[in-house]
Amino acid sequence: GAVVSQHPSRVICKSGTSVKIECRSLDFQATTMFWYRQFPKQSLMLMATSNEGSKATYEQGVEKDKFLINHASLTLSTLTVTSAHPEDSSFYICSARGTTPTGELFFGEGSRLTVL
Amino acid sequence: SQQGEEDPQALSIQEGENATMNCSYKTSINNLQWYRQNSGRGLVHLILIRSNEREKHSGRLRVTLDTSKKSSSLLITASRAADTASYFCAVSYSGAGSYQLTFGKGTKLSVIP
Repeated sequence: GAVVSQHPSRVICKSGTSVKIECRSLDFQATTMFWYRQFPKQSLMLMATSNEGSKATYEQGVEKDKFLINHASLTLSTLTVTSAHPEDSSFYICSARGTTPTGELFFGEGSRLTVL
Repeated sequence: SQQGEEDPQALSIQEGENATMNCSYKTSINNLQWYRQNSGRGLVHLILIRSNEREKHSGRLRVTLDTSKKSSSLLITASRAADTASYFCAVSYSGAGSYQLTFGKGTKLSVIP
């Protein structure tokens, strides 16, 4: 199946710094990528939909100035957590829509963010 | 908001037994998908069932969909220790953006060797 690479897998940062997470589709072009947040032992919460060449669409309650999303190419979307605080600590997962008509999404391995 | 609900929240079985997980949703859907997540990892797509389908099979997996009850079940037959993971259902709601999925809370399956 298609491969989505997410980097870094783990990051620890100090409060107030910004962290960038990359999501790459390695063997297919992804016009649409999705960013999720997952708290321990909970489900995935959709944060935003990232469309190549246009502004991301954020879900209700997600601060767009806090979570900057850029989808500059058909294979790369980035999520930047700006001025991170301990409450931003979470597991962030991206997914990319594949090229098949089945609606299947391919997920990255996730990025564990810990803000001290 | 998350509308998919799986039950049970946790399931522990012996290797070789079958595992059944259920998922309910609230409004009409385009399709329903099941995903697997190993601890601390990303999600792996298992199977997709469309709203006009009632049953699908893939290897040891069997998924059913009852749109009148707004529910689905995932059956894993002859379970193996390697099946230990969390299983999520995700629904694509009618009228939602293309490929937008709403995930349930998941069932944590433990298969004891």
